Amino acid sequence: GESVGLHLPTLSVQEGDNSIINCAYSNSASDYFIWYKQESGKGPQFIIDIRSNMDKRQGQRVTVLLNKTVKHLSLQIAATQPGDSAVYFCAVPPGSNTGKLIFGQGTTLQVKP
Amino acid sequence: GAVVSQHPSWVICKSGTSVKIECRSLDFQATTMFWYRQFPKQSLMLMATSNEGSKATYEQGVEKDKFLINHASLTLSTLTVTSAHPEDSSFYICSARDLGHTDTQYFGPGTRLTVL
Repeated sequence: GESVGLHLPTLSVQEGDNSIINCAYSNSASDYFIWYKQESGKGPQFIIDIRSNMDKRQGQRVTVLLNKTVKHLSLQIAATQPGDSAVYFCAVPPGSNTGKLIFGQGTTLQVKP
Repeated sequence: GAVVSQHPSWVICKSGTSVKIECRSLDFQATTMFWYRQFPKQSLMLMATSNEGSKATYEQGVEKDKFLINHASLTLSTLTVTSAHPEDSSFYICSARDLGHTDTQYFGPGTRLTVL
């Protein structure tokens, strides 16, 4: 089955710097990828998604990069702010149109003032 | 954006009692909702898929008789933890799939269950 992993459990950055959070997936047939942000005690919040027919997608201060060759995606946050401190999860549907999502283990982003 | 609510936001109960958690899609219809469980400092683990008008489908290892799911309308799914024990203490999160727009899944704010 699908498995999703993150490279680093914790990332600490200085306010104003750029942050890069990585994620690896196992199923080469995966065609949709989502990044969520979860603040303490709250539910996940959608950040950005990307489909496999793209290798880059940009949002407001965020960019997702997809490398299908090595089954890797990353979330880049520009000019990181204290409000960006949270746990970030990548999520991937395990296949078929069920709506299910398999979540990675999460990376805790700590922003130092 | 679409809003999903959960009630209650937190609950404390005695061991052996049952607890019902509600998940509502407030401004869209959801034929499918999902229930997740999250232990401290861990990721979300899918428990079951709640289907409006039919039986829920459970993930492997999740006891369907312990975690009762009812999806009686297009905007409401309920999860009942029956005969709760301390090991059921967790953060329960629901999500709803908005098929009316972009097939995006929206998450509720979660319910913190503490079983004494």
